[in-house]
Amino acid sequence: AQSVTQPDIHITVSEGASLELRCNYSYGATPYLFWYVQSPGQGLQLLLKYFSGDTLVQGIKGFEAEFKRSQSSFNLRKPSVHWSDAAEYFCAVGAPGTYKYIFGTGTRLKVLA
Amino acid sequence: DVKVTQSSRYLVKRTGEKVFLECVQDMDHENMFWYRQDPGLGLRLIYFSYDVKMKEKGDIPEGYSVSREKKERFSLILESASTNQTSMYLCASNGKRLAGVESYEQYFGPGTRLTVT
Repeated sequence: AQSVTQPDIHITVSEGASLELRCNYSYGATPYLFWYVQSPGQGLQLLLKYFSGDTLVQGIKGFEAEFKRSQSSFNLRKPSVHWSDAAEYFCAVGAPGTYKYIFGTGTRLKVLA
Repeated sequence: DVKVTQSSRYLVKRTGEKVFLECVQDMDHENMFWYRQDPGLGLRLIYFSYDVKMKEKGDIPEGYSVSREKKERFSLILESASTNQTSMYLCASNGKRLAGVESYEQYFGPGTRLTVT
């Protein structure tokens, strides 16, 4: 069975600092992987996705994520955080070729000025 | 751009009322989803529809039903609202789009924050 874990419930970083949000999954093969962002009171917006191929994926808003099969991880990174990045971030995993996914419990990011 | 709209952003209902949450998508997606979002629990799937009149239970279907009479519209129904159904409800869609392009990522509506008193 698939599962996804986001170990950090809350993360606080200073504006301009680098960011890494962790996502670990459990699945027998290479799954479909997604990162979404949710601003307060809003729905979820797709940041990036990984299906296959190059393990470093570029997304919107300057985010990137790296798929590491050996560690069953798909961590989200940003080299320099902006105050507007304060939001909740969700990782999602699904079996290839399917449309239904499992979402992690989310990581809430706080950015200090 | 894909657009998913939800009928209300905020809703306040009384215990025992029948509640309808409506979701409409404009990209001809085959699949539509209803999730419930609670702090610390992430998104939990209530129901999933993969075609008109077709539905599949998600992880937490108890106390909910759904209706999909048209491809673009997916309704979530709380037959008799209870206080433990106070939550944020999110609708999403994906699937084969216009011109046959597959869209695996889910597109979300803005959410409906339901309070049951």
